[in-house]
Amino acid sequence: NAGVMQNPRHLVRRRGQEARLRCSPMKGHSHVYWYRQLPEEGLKFMVYLQKENIIDESGMPKERFSAEFPKEGPSILRIQQVVRGDSAAYFCASSPPGITYGYTFGSGTRLTVV
Amino acid sequence: DAKTTQPNSMESNEEEPVHLPCNHSTISGTDYIHWYRQLPSQGPEYVIHGLTSNVNNRMASLAIAEDRKSSTLILHRATLRDAAVYYCILSGGSNYKLTFGKGTLLTVNP
Repeated sequence: NAGVMQNPRHLVRRRGQEARLRCSPMKGHSHVYWYRQLPEEGLKFMVYLQKENIIDESGMPKERFSAEFPKEGPSILRIQQVVRGDSAAYFCASSPPGITYGYTFGSGTRLTVV
Repeated sequence: DAKTTQPNSMESNEEEPVHLPCNHSTISGTDYIHWYRQLPSQGPEYVIHGLTSNVNNRMASLAIAEDRKSSTLILHRATLRDAAVYYCILSGGSNYKLTFGKGTLLTVNP
């Protein structure tokens, strides 16, 4: 059973470019959560998605950030016009329906904006 | 959000028990206590969680004080693979909206 798969593991973008981070949840998991870990800080919740629905995006920055979880394919976290402050590790977690603990996290995507 | 306080770092010897403390004096009645750990360059890994009663699983035990203002994660026999940052987190009513603090860096000596 493959775990939560995130790609790419490392992503370098120049200021102003777009970054697309992908997350494939574990088999049977239909709930996806994105977290961000800024340098020297703890992980912070960004957004909670179910298939084709955004359930809670209270942790998302108001501009440039968006997330989706289509009916088919991975969840995508999209950052438009990246700035240096977006440099961080982005983690995705997943869970099956009805489970509210013990989320499985992926290994993260480390975004560096140069 | 209710906050937790953990020591910055702890050391242990291999095959000895480890008690990782966490204070959460402002915990509310509906807050679950979650523990995750994170190895270098990896995502967090769920360890255990509880509400009021002590909990055991294959990885660890969680001892919760009677007043719930503190808890202790117990690793019964530390191994080198247990070296990680351990996070104590209160769920705050939304179990998915976890806020990770600085955690405790556990070093395990051979």
